[in-house]
Amino acid sequence: NAGVTQTPKFQVLKTGQSMTLQCAQDMNHEYMSWYRQDPGMGLRLIHYSVGAGITDQGEVPNGYNVSRSTTEDFPLRLLSAAPSQTSVYFCASSYSGRGLETQYFGPGTRLLVL
Amino acid sequence: GDSVTQMEGPVTLSEEAFLTINCTYTATGYPSLFWYVQYPGEGLQLLLKATKADDKGSNKGFEATYRKETTSFHLEKGSVQVSDSAVYFCALALMFSGGYNKLIFGAGTRLAVHP
Repeated sequence: NAGVTQTPKFQVLKTGQSMTLQCAQDMNHEYMSWYRQDPGMGLRLIHYSVGAGITDQGEVPNGYNVSRSTTEDFPLRLLSAAPSQTSVYFCASSYSGRGLETQYFGPGTRLLVL
Repeated sequence: GDSVTQMEGPVTLSEEAFLTINCTYTATGYPSLFWYVQYPGEGLQLLLKATKADDKGSNKGFEATYRKETTSFHLEKGSVQVSDSAVYFCALALMFSGGYNKLIFGAGTRLAVHP
């Protein structure tokens, strides 16, 4: 049982490049989400999904796309990277996203956009 | 808007010292409150939680009490160990559309414990 895994751990991009941050969970969780963490700020919700084929925007969705074709995977796409997207990205999952369920977090992806 | 404020770090302590990390919140409604911990190289893990006023969450020697009158949820431990060195995040959960929970995090407080 690997929990929530994220790849890559670290990535450097040039402005305008595109990339996909991968997130996978093996706990059969319906709810998955992406956060970004910036210095001096808490984690902020980018996008979330309540099940395969269902996604919605969080607090800071601009510049990011997501899709959820399977229960296990929830990739985050940057179509045209900008320096403002330099951050640490965390993926999280929980059984349904309701109530007081524990959310399980991946180890994070550190992204630097030059 | 809804927010969480934590004391700035880093907090540096000697082993067996008493720990307090302050956390206050602003929220409409009645949030649930959480402490998450992130050990080096790992993802965030739930440390403890409290769902209503005067509830005390506890785990691994850490405690926090939900104080509605002061809108606070301070984290305490009586005797820290080197293995407690980590980043600690205070968070609140509010319901949003569809009955789902949204977590709002503080900025995190780094704790370093020296032998």
